[in-house]
Amino acid sequence: KQEVTQIPAALSVPEGENLVLNCSFTDSAIYNLQWFRQDPGKGLTSLLLIQSSQREQTSGRLNASLDKSSGRSTLYIAASQPGDSATYLCAVPLYNTDKLIFGTGTRLQVFP
Amino acid sequence: DTAVSQTPKYLVTQMGNDKSIKCEQNLGHDTMYWYKQDSKKFLKIMFSYNNKELIINETVPNRFSPKSPDKAHLNLHINSLELGDSAVYFCASSRGTTQETQYFGPGTRLLVL
Repeated sequence: KQEVTQIPAALSVPEGENLVLNCSFTDSAIYNLQWFRQDPGKGLTSLLLIQSSQREQTSGRLNASLDKSSGRSTLYIAASQPGDSATYLCAVPLYNTDKLIFGTGTRLQVFP
Repeated sequence: DTAVSQTPKYLVTQMGNDKSIKCEQNLGHDTMYWYKQDSKKFLKIMFSYNNKELIINETVPNRFSPKSPDKAHLNLHINSLELGDSAVYFCASSRGTTQETQYFGPGTRLLVL
């Protein structure tokens, strides 16, 4: 059974800091891993999708890494800004299905 | 030009009522999904449809019935609403394989009184 956990559950940092969000999954047989952002009262926005054959994926100030063998992914946010404040979710599809298993989320607050 | 849209955005109703939530995507995707986000913010899949056919049906009470009139629409009908149905319901779509990104709608906030 695939279980996805995220650490820390909440994070509060001053503007400008570089930070790392962690995601762990128990079953390494995954096709890909996806990072989402959810703003309060809003839907999810896809940030990055890393295929199982990739080690890294970058988009602007965001960099996501994937280590399948150890069941881990990290989302690195460079030079954080107050606009980055949101909940960040990682998700993996259950093997051979379209069913996304979501992590527990990290609630990030970046203060000026 | 919203990619995945849901209506209504908010829904407040009495226990025992029947209600529907609509979802439409204009991305030309083959697969659509319904997710439920509970009060603890945990997201869990409910249903998945591919080309109007049911693919995933999680352990969801049969009071919940998805309906896909065409590839671009996936509606969720809920009978005999219960207090525990209060949650945010998200619709999503993808091109249809596990390799593809899922795009989410803004959510429908359902409150059952």
